[in-house]
Amino acid sequence: DTAVSQTPKYLVTQMGNDKSIKCEQNLGHDTMYWYKQDSKKFLKIMFSYNNKELIINETVPNRFSPKSPDKAHLNLHINSLELGDSAVYFCASSQRWTSGSGSTDTQYFGPGTRLTVL
Amino acid sequence: AQTVTQSQPEMSVQEAETVTLSCTYDTSENNYYLFWYKQPPSRQMILVIRQEAYKQQNATENRFSVNFQKAAKSFSLKISDSQLGDTAMYFCAFSGGGADGLTFGKGTHLIIQP
Repeated sequence: DTAVSQTPKYLVTQMGNDKSIKCEQNLGHDTMYWYKQDSKKFLKIMFSYNNKELIINETVPNRFSPKSPDKAHLNLHINSLELGDSAVYFCASSQRWTSGSGSTDTQYFGPGTRLTVL
Repeated sequence: AQTVTQSQPEMSVQEAETVTLSCTYDTSENNYYLFWYKQPPSRQMILVIRQEAYKQQNATENRFSVNFQKAAKSFSLKISDSQLGDTAMYFCAFSGGGADGLTFGKGTHLIIQP
């Protein structure tokens, strides 16, 4: 069973279009994330959701809007796509738990969606 | 804000050799978590190993081990008996816990030569 899944894996579209990427996790995790990996392989956090509530919204254009219909899903909608949006987008999830004197989060990643804007 | 630095953009070693990837970070927090992720050409992000900052003992996972130096803010990854399947991008990452996202280094491209 796939723990964190994303659809589609590849997305090719024209500038100006609107597109969505879906993410689902079956790990029972409370927290989900979106990351962007650019052409130089640099990974940067975009959004973080905890129990359907937005926690982190890094400096991301408001053309990007995450939506969490329930704890297991975090979708990414992108309006008016631009050439610079071409990248690989990763969804991830994590579950907090206490261990000894601290808490620990391990994030599990989906397979990524390669978005190409022409 | 935290920063993570990986100073080796690319490394190449022969199969069966031992290789060490370096990572340094900067934070003002006392409790945090450090990770190494592997990204093979399939682009899947795979957790290799993690370390809790409050633990003094270095984490190990089979052929993978870390050298965690909290005072020096250093977190290097050692791969013993390297295998061809270890060829990948390796990312060092920092988490302050909670629902924080991971802060990644720029990655090291490791090539294992036959």
